[in-house]
Amino acid sequence: DAGVIQSPRHEVTEMGQEVTLRCKPISGHNSLFWYRQTMMRGLELLIYFNNNVPIDDSGMPEDRFSAKMPNASFSTLKIQPSEPRDSAVYFCASRMVGGTDTQYFGPGTRLTVL
Amino acid sequence: SQQGEEDPQALSIQEGENATMNCSYKTSINNLQWYRQNSGRGLVHLILIRSNEREKHSGRLRVTLDTSKKSSSLLITASRAADTASYFCAPSHNTDKLIFGTGTRLQVFP
Repeated sequence: DAGVIQSPRHEVTEMGQEVTLRCKPISGHNSLFWYRQTMMRGLELLIYFNNNVPIDDSGMPEDRFSAKMPNASFSTLKIQPSEPRDSAVYFCASRMVGGTDTQYFGPGTRLTVL
Repeated sequence: SQQGEEDPQALSIQEGENATMNCSYKTSINNLQWYRQNSGRGLVHLILIRSNEREKHSGRLRVTLDTSKKSSSLLITASRAADTASYFCAPSHNTDKLIFGTGTRLQVFP
């Protein structure tokens, strides 16, 4: 299996621009998680989906952030408008509900907002 | 869901030595997982120990769980430079989500 795929791997944008991060979970997994990691705040859970339905978005920092999962094999995390404080590494992870609790992480997207 | 707290925050050892990291949590759990994160990479699952298990081995890894003390430890034996990474514990109790702590940063010097 290819594992969790994220794109782009690196994104540099200017403040105010829209940013879209993409994730393809492992085939057959039905739970998907978006995390953000910074030196200051560590690894934060932003939102997660079960069977394409958002279950808990309490970690989404503000309305500028939105996430969608239109089907079982694709999810997006959008930031509009972006701000310098959004600079971080964003990880996507997936797991199989009903299996073990093990999550499988993607390689991350390093976002820099200038 | 609950967050595990890893201790120490940082650990430096020489190759060949053993490394021990600890994790404490606050409420009852079904299982506890340990993950590793190499610099610039995503987390990688290492091992899962269930609440009815006291010890588990995987290669050079040994994990213990003491539910009465609400603590777990991860021992890496005969460490290698490639073990240099951050290590996170994730306690879980019937929840979908995992809350990660700040981790233990392990540095293994050749």
